[in-house]
Amino acid sequence: GAGVSQTPSNKVTEKGKYVELRCDPISGHTALYWYRQSLGQGPEFLIYFQGTGAADDSGLPNDRFFAVRPEGSVSTLKIQRTERGDSAVYLCASSLRGNNEQFFGPGTRLTVL
Amino acid sequence: AQSVTQLGSHVSVSEGALVLLRCNYSSSVPPYLFWYVQYPNQGLQLLLKYTSAATLVKGINGFEAEFKKSETSFHLTKPSAHMSDAAEYFCAVSVHTGGGNKLTFGTGTQLKVEL
Repeated sequence: GAGVSQTPSNKVTEKGKYVELRCDPISGHTALYWYRQSLGQGPEFLIYFQGTGAADDSGLPNDRFFAVRPEGSVSTLKIQRTERGDSAVYLCASSLRGNNEQFFGPGTRLTVL
Repeated sequence: AQSVTQLGSHVSVSEGALVLLRCNYSSSVPPYLFWYVQYPNQGLQLLLKYTSAATLVKGINGFEAEFKKSETSFHLTKPSAHMSDAAEYFCAVSVHTGGGNKLTFGTGTQLKVEL
């Protein structure tokens, strides 16, 4: 079946602009995670959704970052007033509720000029 | 807080040689541990996981890892490296949160396989 998909695959924006990154999880997966992977680093947790609600947003770096999942499926990560330090690969993963195996999407590479 | 340390950011082996990638963890509770592989421009793929059952875990592509509580280690091995194993490998520990399991990753080990 289809895996986790993320769009766009690449996004180049200018400092100060607003961006949205989309994640489409595996059908039936109620848990959805966002991670950020900076160059040369491992992925870092940002936020976790169970259904429509954000169950843990402790990894969001500041209030410029926000994520939604209004219907419990597709999620959008929103970044306001982008900064050069936001440049990274943003990864999305999904899993069945209570299952510890997460399936990752290919990521969105965000470049802030 | 949980953490993961991967010793050696770059490892190079000859084709056919033993692969050993090191991972040590820190966890205040019994951990769930994972190894993921990342090929260039691709997402993370799960190699194997430890979830408190057998301490020797076998994964895909001939990889295995052994959980050693006394050493707080979860090293990844493969008896004979293949060129297709060249990739970046991440060790991760799972933290239970609000019904989910957020992963804390190490900084990764880039594996190079030479002829």
